[in-house]
Parts: sequence; C-alpha cells; structure tokens
Amino acid sequence: DIQMTQSPSSLSASVGDRVTITCRASQSISSYLNWYQQKPGKAPKLLIYAASSLQSGVPSTFSGSGSGTYFTLTISSLQPEDFATYYCQQSYNTPFTFGPGTKLDIK
Amino acid sequence: EVQLVESGGGLVKPGGSLRLSCAASGFTFSSYSMNWVRQAPGKGLEWVSSISSSSSYIYYADSVKGRFTISRDNAKNSLFLQMNSLRAEDTAVYYCARGTGATSHLDYWGQGTLVTVSS
Repeated sequence: DIQMTQSPSSLSASVGDRVTITCRASQSISSYLNWYQQKPGKAPKLLIYAASSLQSGVPSTFSGSGSGTYFTLTISSLQPEDFATYYCQQSYNTPFTFGPGTKLDIK
Repeated sequence: EVQLVESGGGLVKPGGSLRLSCAASGFTFSSYSMNWVRQAPGKGLEWVSSISSSSSYIYYADSVKGRFTISRDNAKNSLFLQMNSLRAEDTAVYYCARGTGATSHLDYWGQGTLVTVSS
C-alpha cells in the first residue's frame, strides 16, 4: 500500500499569511494527488485534484504543485474561513490512502 | 445540483450487521464510480471501498475486506454498503463520495451517517 505523510501536523497562522502544507508519498504516484479541506462536523471538500488543478468554485488563493512523491498545498493569503483541517489523498491505486491531516488554526 | 444523502447508520452490537445507503441525485449516477470513506471519532479519513460505474471493478481496504460489500443500483441511483461482523473499530461516520475523472478524485460528498458498534 502507498503511505501518505503530511507536515506539519498542525499549524498556527494569521489572516493574510501565506502557508504551505507538504504531502509525501511512499512511492511515485505521478500526479494522482488530491487535497481536501474539512471543517468540524462537515464533510470534506475537494480543493485540488491531479496535484495542481483547482476544483471549480475554490478560491484562487489555493494552489497545488508537485509530482512523483512530493506535493505541496499553498494558501497565498489566509482568510478566516480557511481555518480547517487539510488532507492529501493519493488516487494512483487502491487503497486510495489519505494523509493524516494538517490542522490549521488561528494564531 | 449534485446531492448525496446517506442513511442507515445507527447503534449495533459487535458481530452485528448494518446496511448503509446513499441516494444520489443531480447527475447521471450510472456514469460515475462511487466510494465509501469513513472517519472514526476525532480521527482522520480512511478510504473504505470503491465501485466502478457498471460495478465491474470493486475494491476494498484491507481493514474491511471479507466483511463489507459495496454495491449499487443504477436504476435507482443508489449506492450501498453491507457491513457484517462489525467491530468496535468500525465505529465512524461513513461518507459516500463520487469519483470523477482519470484521477478518480472525490468531488462530491454526502453529509455522512454515524455507525456506532458497541455492546
């Protein structure tokens, strides 16, 4: 199975900050990497798919990059509604494993 | 508008069974793969199972293989998860999610249904 890791596991930041979350795969997954945002008590929401494609309706402050085993999610200017937990997920092959999550909270 | 609505969760004793359903609307259900993803209380997301649009391809996480069965009824726009031999560690919110595109990313999710396995 492909293992996914994320760093940091938690992050404190302020509105307006630029933040980057890293995701690594235990083997190459090409660009089969997706990012989700989850707020407490809510279902996850797709932000980025295929490593760098922005899902429709998602603000352009979100961007993704990477390929192979190393990926990043960047929020260029944090908004109050961006404080949430972020998960990466590989869809290269089954099981479609998720990373452990990065909790982003307000400093 | 795409909608996915799960139902069937509840409290069940260890060793018991439960059948989850997911009612889909707002899109051509028969054209998309579908997935179940779960989240134990306070924990991260765990992919559980996937079924292709025509049910030709079915996959499971090792943690549920042999106990859970995914199925779908394209005529009724419905997805199912039959869960047998339930264990305490199966306690979670179960989400159904639509898979899209060559990368099978999960672009729409239901609100989830809670399954609690406890004596």
